[in-house]
Amino acid sequence: SAVISQKPSRDICQRGTSLTIQCQVDSQVTMMFWYRQQPGQSLTLIATANQGSEATYESGFVIDKFPISRPNLTFSTLTVSNMSPEDSSIYLCSVEDGTAGGYTFGSGTRLTVV
Amino acid sequence: GEDVEQSLFLSVREGDSSVINCTYTDSSSTYLYWYKQEPGAGLQLLTYIFSNMDMKQDQRLTVLLNKKDKHLSLRIADTQTGDSAIYFCAEDTGFQKLVFGTGTRLLVSP
Repeated sequence: SAVISQKPSRDICQRGTSLTIQCQVDSQVTMMFWYRQQPGQSLTLIATANQGSEATYESGFVIDKFPISRPNLTFSTLTVSNMSPEDSSIYLCSVEDGTAGGYTFGSGTRLTVV
Repeated sequence: GEDVEQSLFLSVREGDSSVINCTYTDSSSTYLYWYKQEPGAGLQLLTYIFSNMDMKQDQRLTVLLNKKDKHLSLRIADTQTGDSAIYFCAEDTGFQKLVFGTGTRLLVSP
């Protein structure tokens, strides 16, 4: 099955700053997905990233706040911009796993904004 | 809109069976998934079922799907302390978008 390397695994950031999270996949994938898991909550899809086009954002998420890059078929970044304490969450990337079936997730980035 | 509900908490003794339930609202779901999340870890795919099936068994795991009632369950046989985690069901709405349930925290006591 696909293996995803996500980093950083955790970070503590000052409010007003930005953090870029990276996901590297060991195989080429058409779409990559970014999710947010707020403390004690379930996962919510932020956006879907295709290579060579702008990401598609879900309701409640905007590009200015969560810009995404997808420069090739194995890599994507999510930036959390102008952070506030409400952005403290776990952020996870995901890909559809054609080999194993289902969706594989990265290990997550635990973000704390102070 | 899509809505996936789970009971919040389940406590069982080691060796017993655990049954985690999930209800969903989107009748166009293609696949339904069960994921496990251990403390401080990412999500691990446990199993999944296609929407035209009603049962799938995989070692200690049995998934039952009642499409008419939009009800999904995960049975874990011979539950072990290492099974203690949060379990999420998720539905694929057909646009490669997963909608996750609220999560069930399973606590297994010795």
